[in-house]
Amino acid sequence: GEDVEQSLFLSVREGDSSVINCTYTDSSSTYLYWYKQEPGAGLQLLTYIFSNMDMKQDQRLTVLLNKKDKHLSLRIADTQTGDSAIYFCAGGGFQKLVFGTGTRLLVSP
Amino acid sequence: KAGVTQTPRYLIKTRGQQVTLSCSPISGHRSVSWYQQTPGQGLQFLFEYFSETQRNKGNFPGRFSGRQFSNSRSEMNVSTLELGDSALYLCASSQRGPGTGMSEQYFGPGTRLTVT
Repeated sequence: GEDVEQSLFLSVREGDSSVINCTYTDSSSTYLYWYKQEPGAGLQLLTYIFSNMDMKQDQRLTVLLNKKDKHLSLRIADTQTGDSAIYFCAGGGFQKLVFGTGTRLLVSP
Repeated sequence: KAGVTQTPRYLIKTRGQQVTLSCSPISGHRSVSWYQQTPGQGLQFLFEYFSETQRNKGNFPGRFSGRQFSNSRSEMNVSTLELGDSALYLCASSQRGPGTGMSEQYFGPGTRLTVT
């Protein structure tokens, strides 16, 4: 089955760029997603990328996909304290999503 | 448009009891998925329902079950609760269901279940 790995923790200063990385094993996902979870809340879809794309930009968010290496990344430009949260990458399997382990992003002023 | 609602938000149960959690999807959404979130195992897929039919099921014991009603509202039931069932249970709704093209899933705030 699908296995999705992420680094557990990332700490940046306000105004810097953040890069969250994700590796996956199953290359059959048509879409790959990034979700954000704030304390006490559910998951919020941030952005997604179609599997035949290499890059997608959405305001401060840039998603890079390297299908050869099965590597997905999320870059947040001009990171703000409000971006502090847990970020999950996910692949679309048959009638389900397979989530990564989550990366806790801490943004300090 | 109202978001996904889950009730109750918090629940404390004793080992051996059973529990029913409820999820009301966004109006017009026919797919409801359930996920279990724990610190140790992360987010794990439980099952997905579409138009009252279970289309996919995760790797959980038979104590975990669910159903969907004609109005797309869904319930999940856990019988004979174990301490390890303590988790945040999230439901998500979408129009077509996960994995079927780009069908954005909207998550509810979750029900936090504590088993003592």
